[in-house]
Amino acid sequence: DIVMTQSPDSLAVSLGERATINCKSSQSVLYSSNNKNYLGWYQQKPGQPPKLLIYWASTRESGVPDRFSGSGSGTDFTLTISSLQAEDVAVYYCQQYYSIPFTFGPGTKVDIK
Amino acid sequence: EVQLVESGGGLVQPGGSLRLSCAASGFTFSSYAMSWVRQAPGKGLEWVSVICGSNNSTYYANSVKGRFTISRDNSKNTLFLQMNSLGAEDTALYYCAKGVSSSCYAGCDHWGQGTLVTVSS
Repeated sequence: DIVMTQSPDSLAVSLGERATINCKSSQSVLYSSNNKNYLGWYQQKPGQPPKLLIYWASTRESGVPDRFSGSGSGTDFTLTISSLQAEDVAVYYCQQYYSIPFTFGPGTKVDIK
Repeated sequence: EVQLVESGGGLVQPGGSLRLSCAASGFTFSSYAMSWVRQAPGKGLEWVSVICGSNNSTYYANSVKGRFTISRDNSKNTLFLQMNSLGAEDTALYYCAKGVSSSCYAGCDHWGQGTLVTVSS
């Protein structure tokens, strides 16, 4: 199984400042035949289901604000919130869908400082 | 508008069974992969199972393989999860989620509100 790790476990950022979340997979999730990274990012606010933010590691889902961006390839990935807003308080998860069983990272909690 | 509504959760004794349903609307159900993801109280997300939209292939997490069965009724736009031999470790909120394509190997772009399964004597 591919193990997903995230860092940090939690972070507190001032409004308008940048938040950076890291995700690492225990093996590459880059499929060489199409050069796609099988990695997604989800946001989960309290009491709500997860929401897809980013897929293929860097493609923003329709309707997601452009302050959210994804980067990385292979085994190392980053979700960046360029200017944190109050509504971004949530837990963020990465997930690999490269190989069965699909696995999520443990989550990173983002709060306002 | 895509809507996913789960049902069938509840309190069940250890060793018991439950069948979850997910009623889908707002998209061509048969054309998309569908997944179940669960979340134990206060914990993170755990992928459970997926059924592809292209060929109805099914896949499972190791923790539920042999006990859970995912299926779909495309004529009724409904996804199912048959859960047998339930244990306390299966206590969780179970989400139904729509894949971004017919392929199983993709993310999920819409999620239901979840149905709670509690396994306890």
